[in-house]
Amino acid sequence: KQEVTQIPAALSVPEGENLVLNCSFTDSAIYNLQWFRQDPGKGLTSLLLIQSSQREQTSGRLNASLDKSSGRSTLYIAASQPGDSATYLCAVRVGANSKLTFGKGITLSVRP
Amino acid sequence: GAGVSQTPSNKVTEKGKYVELRCDPISGHTALYWYRQSLGQGPEFLIYFQGTGAADDSGLPNDRFFAVRPEGSVSTLKIQRTERGDSAVYLCASSSVGGAVGNEQFFGPGTRLTVL
Repeated sequence: KQEVTQIPAALSVPEGENLVLNCSFTDSAIYNLQWFRQDPGKGLTSLLLIQSSQREQTSGRLNASLDKSSGRSTLYIAASQPGDSATYLCAVRVGANSKLTFGKGITLSVRP
Repeated sequence: GAGVSQTPSNKVTEKGKYVELRCDPISGHTALYWYRQSLGQGPEFLIYFQGTGAADDSGLPNDRFFAVRPEGSVSTLKIQRTERGDSAVYLCASSSVGGAVGNEQFFGPGTRLTVL
């Protein structure tokens, strides 16, 4: 059974800091991996999707990497801002149209 | 274009009652997913539709839960004899099949269900 772990559960950093959020998964036979952002009381916003054949994806200040063989992904946020405060979830999928298996998320607080 | 929409945004019901939650996917998306998110947890899969049929319902917790998608677009999640443990946010997602973005799932805002 695929399990996704995100540690730590919460993180607080000062504005401007570069930071890395970690995600690990137990079964390396994944199809793709998605990083999401969730604001309190809201749904999920997709940030980045990495196919199993890819090593990284970039969007603005965000960069996500994937090391499938070791079962790890990282989300790098450059020059963090208070508006980045949210919960970040990673999720993996084992087939083209299969379900997503989520971690519990990391709640990020960026202090002004 | 419009994203995934879900109605109602909030639903409060009493234990033992029946509820229906609705999801309108992005137009043209053939795949539709239901997830349930409890406080402090990541979303957990319930059921996946490809067109009108349920391709994977392995996440439904018991036979009180049922979902339909009769015309391959709108889906309804139905919960009978609700229990307090059913309280959660119910999320719906849709995706295209074989698209260039690798079947990326797009989520709706969710329905917060509270069972008193």
